[in-house]
Amino acid sequence: EVQLEESGGGLVKPGGSLRLSCAASGFTFSIYSMNWVRQAPGKGLEWVSSISSSSNYIYYADSVKGRFTISRDNANNSLYLQMNSLSADDTAVYYCARVATRTVWVDGFDIWGQGTMVTVS
Amino acid sequence: QAVLTQPVSLSASPGTSASLTCTLRSGISVGTYIIYWYQQKPGSPPQYLLKYKSDSDNHRDSGVPSRFSGSKDASANAGILLISGLQAEDEADYYCMLWHSSGWVFGGGTKLTVL
Repeated sequence: EVQLEESGGGLVKPGGSLRLSCAASGFTFSIYSMNWVRQAPGKGLEWVSSISSSSNYIYYADSVKGRFTISRDNANNSLYLQMNSLSADDTAVYYCARVATRTVWVDGFDIWGQGTMVTVS
Repeated sequence: QAVLTQPVSLSASPGTSASLTCTLRSGISVGTYIIYWYQQKPGSPPQYLLKYKSDSDNHRDSGVPSRFSGSKDASANAGILLISGLQAEDEADYYCMLWHSSGWVFGGGTKLTVL
């Protein structure tokens, strides 16, 4: 079964740091671009960051640029999001999501994890 | 002004059709973009529905019923998600998305109520 599972969320104080992980299974992780998307409580979806299959291309939303770092370990089928200088505005459920078409950078996100909650307070 | 604007809510009756719009900001032409659509039910992650660029360039994700389709209204500069034969299970939040200026942009979402 194709699956993504996030972990690492929790309660952190303003100014603190947190590292999220996303474990992939059931597909060849190394050939898909990946993304982080967040959703604040009761709010809509907000794209956070994207990384290409070989980490050659990385993009961030302006709201997290300079504070968040996306990375991946293809050998261990894992995606990461290092979050620094956290504020209350970063409180959200964080989802990892796979780009639908392998080796393609721009496409829909066809597989999503269940999300991990990050609370900054 | 937001890049993508969606109506906050929409209501429709079972068996009818619902047209959900995603309006692009002035100066950004819908004709040049692929619009992606997602459905999200309470307590669940979003589900990818389809992408639409033109009648000859569009794709519904695996397992998505043919009741869901995409289109564009160039005069309104908007992408459209059409859901025909509405069912109670279609009640959800719907989000549009596109790739713009080196980043993904989501619309604010439309809450579809089927009653």
